[in-house]
Amino acid sequence: AQSVAQPEDQVNVAEGNPLTVKCTYSVSGNPYLFWYVQYPNRGLQFLLKYITGDNLVKGSYGFEAEFNKSQTSFHLKKPSALVSDSALYFCAVRDRTAGNKLTFGGGTRVLVKP
Amino acid sequence: GAVVSQHPSRVICKSGTSVKIECRSLDFQATTMFWYRQFPKQSLMLMATSNEGSKATYEQGVEKDKFLINHASLTLSTLTVTSAHPEDSSFYICSARGGQNNSPLHFGNGTRLTVT
Repeated sequence: AQSVAQPEDQVNVAEGNPLTVKCTYSVSGNPYLFWYVQYPNRGLQFLLKYITGDNLVKGSYGFEAEFNKSQTSFHLKKPSALVSDSALYFCAVRDRTAGNKLTFGGGTRVLVKP
Repeated sequence: GAVVSQHPSRVICKSGTSVKIECRSLDFQATTMFWYRQFPKQSLMLMATSNEGSKATYEQGVEKDKFLINHASLTLSTLTVTSAHPEDSSFYICSARGGQNNSPLHFGNGTRLTVT
């Protein structure tokens, strides 16, 4: 079985400061890893993905994430947060050998204060 | 980029009635679509996998007779909540994957269902 953990329900950060949203995963095989963002009453928007290759993945809106196989982590980062980054962030994993099912973490609410 | 359109965005219905939610892939063909349910301040829970031209695959604990899924074409999947009750009130989100197997899911904007 595959699973995703986002240990922080909420992250507060001042505008202009670095933002990190943590994610750890568990799969039996090799993972596909994704980050999505959700604004109120909206669906999820894709931010970035890790499939293979370079462990540092760059995505939309200045976000990046680093795949760490030994720590089974895929933390989302942004060097300088904006107030508009305030939203709900979801990490997701799919075992590339286990079909189509995508498993989401519980979500982390990010609040960027001006 | 790939766009998924979901309709309606918001619906209020009376207990005992049925509600149909549509999910369309606008610029790509989706042999597989996924239906999720999201409770307030919680993550997305996969309800079922919708397969074009065949029966949907439901997750454990999801009543197939209550949540009817029809994937009649490569661009349209529908979820019908039959005989809705207040406990069915939730945010329902569909998604589809275009292209390769490692492509990300693209999500509709969700449907807020309120059953009174």
